[in-house]
Amino acid sequence: DVKVTQSSRYLVKRTGEKVFLECVQDMDHENMFWYRQDPGLGLRLIYFSYDVKMKEKGDIPEGYSVSREKKERFSLILESASTNQTSMYLCASGLTGGGTDTQYFGPGTRLTVL
Amino acid sequence: GQNIDQPTEMTATEGAIVQINCTYQTSGFNGLFWYQQHAGEAPTFLSYNVLDGLEEKGRFSSFLSRSKGYSYLLLKELQMKDSASYLCAVRPSSASKIIFGSGTRLSIRP
Repeated sequence: DVKVTQSSRYLVKRTGEKVFLECVQDMDHENMFWYRQDPGLGLRLIYFSYDVKMKEKGDIPEGYSVSREKKERFSLILESASTNQTSMYLCASGLTGGGTDTQYFGPGTRLTVL
Repeated sequence: GQNIDQPTEMTATEGAIVQINCTYQTSGFNGLFWYQQHAGEAPTFLSYNVLDGLEEKGRFSSFLSRSKGYSYLLLKELQMKDSASYLCAVRPSSASKIIFGSGTRLSIRP
């Protein structure tokens, strides 16, 4: 059974703190993605990775960085958290190529920055 | 640019049929997805269309017209558990990146 896990369901941090969000998949997928989801704005892609140690910017990378040291793990880092980064963060993984290869999502982390 | 439009909210009655429309304008096209997302949960995959026509999967069907940049998701015999947001998403190229619409929140009334 497909499994994507995220380190926390709920997280509260203070402005200026460094925040790490971890995502692990057990499906041997090449591709991993980080999104944030806000009311009325839908899912927006922050960063994605096609392979270990490889990363590409999505649509809203500002204020974020990522790390992919192992195939199964993709980390999202907020270097200095700000209140406008309060959001639901969703990690996803998927296979390379087209066809019916969809993305599988983790349960999400609801981050609140005070 | 890339743009995916779908209605923000819809309401339907238990046992009825509802159609959720999606129009898209993207730099390329390599497939359209529909996802279901219950409140507070992650999106889950419902359907995939890459060729024109209707794909049926139980109570759910999805239609695609590439020339019109148009898709719809049809839900039959609605149940209360179908209350959720439905996300339309397009893969613009053979790469795996997918662009999501803002979602349609569907409410089912008894």
